[in-house]
Amino acid sequence: GQQVMQIPQYQHVQEGEDFTTYCNSSTTLSNIQWYKQRPGGHPVFLIQLVKSGEVKKQKRLTFQFGEAKKNSSLHITATQTTDVGTYFCAGGANAGGTSYGKLTFGQGTILTVHP
Amino acid sequence: DAGITQSPRHKVTETGTPVTLRCHQTENHRYMYWYRQDPGHGLRLIHYSYGVKDTDKGEVSDGYSVSRSKTEDFLLTLESATSSQTSVYFCAISEASRGGPAEQFFGPGTRLTVL
Repeated sequence: GQQVMQIPQYQHVQEGEDFTTYCNSSTTLSNIQWYKQRPGGHPVFLIQLVKSGEVKKQKRLTFQFGEAKKNSSLHITATQTTDVGTYFCAGGANAGGTSYGKLTFGQGTILTVHP
Repeated sequence: DAGITQSPRHKVTETGTPVTLRCHQTENHRYMYWYRQDPGHGLRLIHYSYGVKDTDKGEVSDGYSVSRSKTEDFLLTLESATSSQTSVYFCAISEASRGGPAEQFFGPGTRLTVL
């Protein structure tokens, strides 16, 4: 079945440093989504990328979708303590039928920001 | 936040007992999902539903069953709980989308401990 690998598992940074997490799928994806989960909370949707090579920005966050639609990255510029949490990528199945609504989540990257 | 609730929020039970978790939505979304979250594994799909009485297995469905008799409710049942099913369980909902799976909205989670 579809597998989505995400690295690194943990990342500790000093406030103001940049942060990047990477996501790789074993199969071509229909789309990729990114979620953030604050400690003790539930995952919250950040963004969705659909097109090959797509790049989207949200303030200090930059999201990329690879040309082959099998990999993605999230880059945070100048981290702040409010960026603390776990970041998940989630790949959409490219097959039709009943698997159409399914997402496969990466293991997540736990980001710690030291003030 | 989307109108999605989970009950109970916390439960402690003993090995071998049946357990049912409930997910309730007020958004009339078509898709509903049950995930479990464990350290180092991210979010793993247990079962999902693409309509009333239409369900399918996820990657970790063994030991779990689901039912969806109406749009707003999705039940997850552990027929005979085991200690390996100690986890945090999240329900999620999403609407249909042409470009692949749409963004998912997560409930607050249920922390289940099996002794």
